Amino acid sequence: QVQLVQSGAEVKKPGASVKVSCKVSGYTLTELSRHWVRQAPGKGLEWMGGFDPEDGETIYAQKFQGRVTMTEDTSTDTAYMELSSLRSEDTAVYYCATAIYSGYDLGYWGQGTLVTVSS
Amino acid sequence: QSALTQPASVSGSPGQSITISCTGTSSDVGGYNYVSWYQQHPGKAPKLMIYDVSKRPSGVSNRFSGSKSGNTASLTISGLQAEDEADYYCSSYTSSSTRVFGTGTKVTVL
Repeated sequence: QVQLVQSGAEVKKPGASVKVSCKVSGYTLTELSRHWVRQAPGKGLEWMGGFDPEDGETIYAQKFQGRVTMTEDTSTDTAYMELSSLRSEDTAVYYCATAIYSGYDLGYWGQGTLVTVSS
Repeated sequence: QSALTQPASVSGSPGQSITISCTGTSSDVGGYNYVSWYQQHPGKAPKLMIYDVSKRPSGVSNRFSGSKSGNTASLTISGLQAEDEADYYCSSYTSSSTRVFGTGTKVTVL
């Protein structure tokens, strides 16, 4: 059974950066296709980026290219998502998720990390 | 990449069946059999209900089923129960190797 445990809530000022972590247990990180999804208050789900099983690369949504970086530490089975140049519209719950069935699903999710951007 | 189109809300009485549609394009829903559906209760993380158009993860009730025709995918919930009241999102792989979610549908059990 896969478990994803994310870091705690963050409060950031506009222009700052935030780095959210996602520790995996039950599997090793490299066995899983990792993704990040966010959800602004009262809004829908938005895919930010993740591992593409077709070419084995990390792909970012065009909206976030240049501002988001997804990395990992295989020694601790922890994935990271860093978002820079924060603005108020980035206030959201950020989820890490992994594929577990076909590589194109998001079968396991972290509990979510609330990032609040406010001056 | 525009969000896939879902109805804002769908409702039904206990025991009834409801269907949620998810309309995209030939570059996403119509081009790949990689449509997933997620259930989200308030304040909770989403839960995978259907993957690869019609496959059900272990532990998900067989009251949930998925299908696809052309650029539109559908999620059907049969034998509607109070616990099914939640938000539902579809998602698809795209020709840009990205993923896109639907706009979300709020299911109300009357």
